[in-house]
Amino acid sequence: GDSVTQMEGPVTLSEEAFLTINCTYTATGYPSLFWYVQYPGEGLQLLLKATKADDKGSNKGFEATYRKETTSFHLEKGSVQVSDSAVYFCALSDTGGSTLGRLYFGRGTQLTVWP
Amino acid sequence: EAGVVQSPRYKIIEKKQPVAFWCNPISGHNTLYWYLQNLGQGPELLIRYENEEAVDDSQLPKDRFSAERLKGVDSTLKIQPAELGDSAVYLCASSLGAYNEQFFGPGTRLTVL
Repeated sequence: GDSVTQMEGPVTLSEEAFLTINCTYTATGYPSLFWYVQYPGEGLQLLLKATKADDKGSNKGFEATYRKETTSFHLEKGSVQVSDSAVYFCALSDTGGSTLGRLYFGRGTQLTVWP
Repeated sequence: EAGVVQSPRYKIIEKKQPVAFWCNPISGHNTLYWYLQNLGQGPELLIRYENEEAVDDSQLPKDRFSAERLKGVDSTLKIQPAELGDSAVYLCASSLGAYNEQFFGPGTRLTVL
C-alpha cells in the first residue's frame, strides 16, 4: 500500500543554517505530495505541495521537488530561523479510487532552531 | 473566517468508559475527515465523509468506534468502551472536496487511564 518514509529526528540547527529533511514514498498511481508543519499547540498546516513529477512546491523559503525517479520529496530551506522550530510531516494523497483524498503521513521530524 | 473547531481539547477518562469528540468544519466544506495520531507518529485516517455519507471508513475500528455527520455539517466521533491503547490525539480536518486542501483542527488529546 501507499506509504511515506521520513527522516527521523530530532534535528537541531543554529539559526541561518541549511535544512534538509528527507522524505521518500511508495505509491501506486500518481499521488500528490505535501509537507505539513505543526507548530507547538497548533493544528497541522499545509506548508507546500506538488501534484506531479518535477513540480516544485515552495512557501516561506521552504522548497521541495517531486522526484518520481527517486520517489522523493525532500524539504529544504537555505537559512532557518528560530520561528521555524516545529514538527514537519511529509505526506502523500491518493488521487483516485475509494481512497481519494486520504493523506498518508510520515512519522514527523522535530526541528529545533537555536539562536 | 473560523477554522476547524474541535472540542474538547483535552479529555481524561478511565478505561471502559465512553467518550465523544465533536468537530465543526469550515463553513461550506463538504468533506470531513477524522484522523488518529499516536504519540511520535503521523496521523492516520479513520473516516472520510462527503456531506453526510461516510465514503472511506475502512480504517475505522467498528467494534468500538463510531462516527456520524447527520446533517452534513458537524460531526461526532465516539469510542465505547475506551481502551488504554486509545490514548492519542484525534484530529478533524475539512476541505471543499476530496481534491482540495485539507484544513486541520487543533485536535483532542485523549488520555485513557
